[in-house]
Amino acid sequence: GAVVSQHPSWVICKSGTSVKIECRSLDFQATTMFWYRQFPKQSLMLMATSNEGSKATYEQGVEKDKFLINHASLTLSTLTVTSAHPEDSSFYICSAKGQGGFWETQYFGPGTRLLVL
Amino acid sequence: DAKTTQPNSMESNEEEPVHLPCNHSTISGTDYIHWYRQLPSQGPEYVIHGLTSNVNNRMASLAIAEDRKSSTLILHRATLRDAAVYYCILAGGSQGNLIFGKGTKLSVKP
Repeated sequence: GAVVSQHPSWVICKSGTSVKIECRSLDFQATTMFWYRQFPKQSLMLMATSNEGSKATYEQGVEKDKFLINHASLTLSTLTVTSAHPEDSSFYICSAKGQGGFWETQYFGPGTRLLVL
Repeated sequence: DAKTTQPNSMESNEEEPVHLPCNHSTISGTDYIHWYRQLPSQGPEYVIHGLTSNVNNRMASLAIAEDRKSSTLILHRATLRDAAVYYCILAGGSQGNLIFGKGTKLSVKP
């Protein structure tokens, strides 16, 4: 299957700082990328959907000014958590899918664990 | 978004078949049925997907009811590495968004 990478795999930061997480599709062009958040013992929650070259579409309740998403190329999307606070500590996972259509398989990255002190 | 219902947990013995059920009574005609699994502290892994017909791949088989209101993921011989949370998801809409439910936590006993 296709490979999606994330960087960093984990990050610890101080409250009030910003953190950038990268998501890359390594062997395919990703028309659409998705960002999820997962709290301990809970399921994945979709945060936003981004298409290359377009503004991201955020799910209800997700602050777009706090979670900045950029999808500047067909292989790279970034999520920036601005002014992070301890409640933003979570496991952030991205996924990507190709150009086949809405039924196309999504491939997930390994996740980034964020801890805000 | 259409929802799915899965048992919270299931147990299996190693090298025995496992049948993971999923109910999706409100499925629409264009919704694909996807199965993913997630090991602890990892991103979800694609398992299989289908629309109407049964599907087989190297990981599993997907049996879809004729009315499409339910489906079953079949692991033919469970191994310890198959212990994970299995998510049954209906993907539809213009972007094919995946809305994750709680999934089924599969335990495999040696």
